[in-house]
This record gives sequence, structure tokens and C-alpha cells, in this order.
Amino acid sequence: QVQLVQSGAEVKKPGSSVKVSCKASGGTFSSYAISWVRQAPGQGLEWMGGIIPIFGTANYAQKFQGRVTITADESTSTAYMELSSLRSEDTAVYYCASMGQHWGQGTLVTVSS
Amino acid sequence: EIVLTQSPATLSLSPGERATLSCRASQSVSSYLAWYQQKPGQAPRLLIYDASNRATGIPARFSGSGSGTDFTLTISSLEPEDFAVYYCQQRSNWPPNTFGQGTRLEIK
Repeated sequence: QVQLVQSGAEVKKPGSSVKVSCKASGGTFSSYAISWVRQAPGQGLEWMGGIIPIFGTANYAQKFQGRVTITADESTSTAYMELSSLRSEDTAVYYCASMGQHWGQGTLVTVSS
Repeated sequence: EIVLTQSPATLSLSPGERATLSCRASQSVSSYLAWYQQKPGQAPRLLIYDASNRATGIPARFSGSGSGTDFTLTISSLEPEDFAVYYCQQRSNWPPNTFGQGTRLEIK
């Protein structure tokens, strides 16, 4: 059974960056797409981007192009999502998900001065 | 970018009733549509993939149908634990794998 474990909550200043990790266990990490999805307080789900680790190339939603970087380290079965130039509207729970079937527990990122 | 529109925004029903949730795509997504359930404070749970296939462990009361631009999630007889928010997501054309805005299923 695939398990995804994400890094802990973060509090960041506007203009800074955050990097969230997602470590997979119990399955084949490299072959399946890992997506990053965020959810602002009281709002719906928003797909940010994804990567298939074995191919290494990430794809991003246009809204986040230039601000988000998604990477994967096959040696540690860990995916990363880095979001830069943070603003208050980026305050949200960030999830990683594998093929939509398996989800991390979510990481709360709070952007506040 | 493909836009998914879910209706209704809120659905008020009683346990034992049948629920019908709709998801309409702005262009064809073939059968590459998934449905998720989300409860407060929890990650989404995959219910249906490829329009009509139940995910592992999902009860038979959940079913999905449709293709192209019009899709339906049906819950045949509502259980108390089914009251939640439901999202559809298209996986036909990435990026992005867009989500619908959600339907809140509440107890009447």
C-alpha cells in the first residue's frame, strides 16, 4: 500500500519561498505521476502541477508558471514542490497525490507578515 | 484550459435517498474523469476513475457514468457518512488536471 508522508507546517513571510516534501513508501515511486494540489481555507481543490519521476519533467498549471518548481528524487522516493514569491493568497493546505489514489496528509503553509 | 462545472453547488437530501451529482466539461475529456469525496480536515478520497470505475474499497452504492462532456456521480442510497463535498477532476489534458468547484452534499 502506497503511503505519502509530507513535511510539516510552515509559516512564511510575503516574498519568500517554501519547499514542501512528499516521501513515498510501499509502492513503485518512479513510474506514477505525482501531482500537487492546494486548497485555500474554505475553498475548493486547485491542481498546481505534476511530475512522473522516471521522466523527470514537470508540468505546471499556467497560473503557477514561473513561481512553482516540482522535482522528484528517485533515490529517496521523495517529491518536492517549491513555491516562490509567496503572498497571503498562497495560504493553503498543500497536498501531494499519486495517481489520485493515494494522498499525503497535507501541509499547511501560512503566509503572513 | 478545460473548465469543469459542477451542479448543484449544494444538495440537501436525507439518509436513504438517492443523490445525483453532475459535472460538465467545457470540451470533451473522453472518459478521463475522476470523482473525489472530501470531508472536513481530510485529504480527498478517490471514488471513481475513468468515469465509471470504482476505486479500491469504494462501496457499490457509488457509481459513475458519462463520457465526452457530461458526467454523473450517483449515490444510490445515502449513508450518514456520505455527507461531504464531492469534486470531479479531468485527466484528459494535462496540464492542468483541473477540478470542478465542488458540490456540497448536506443532510436535509
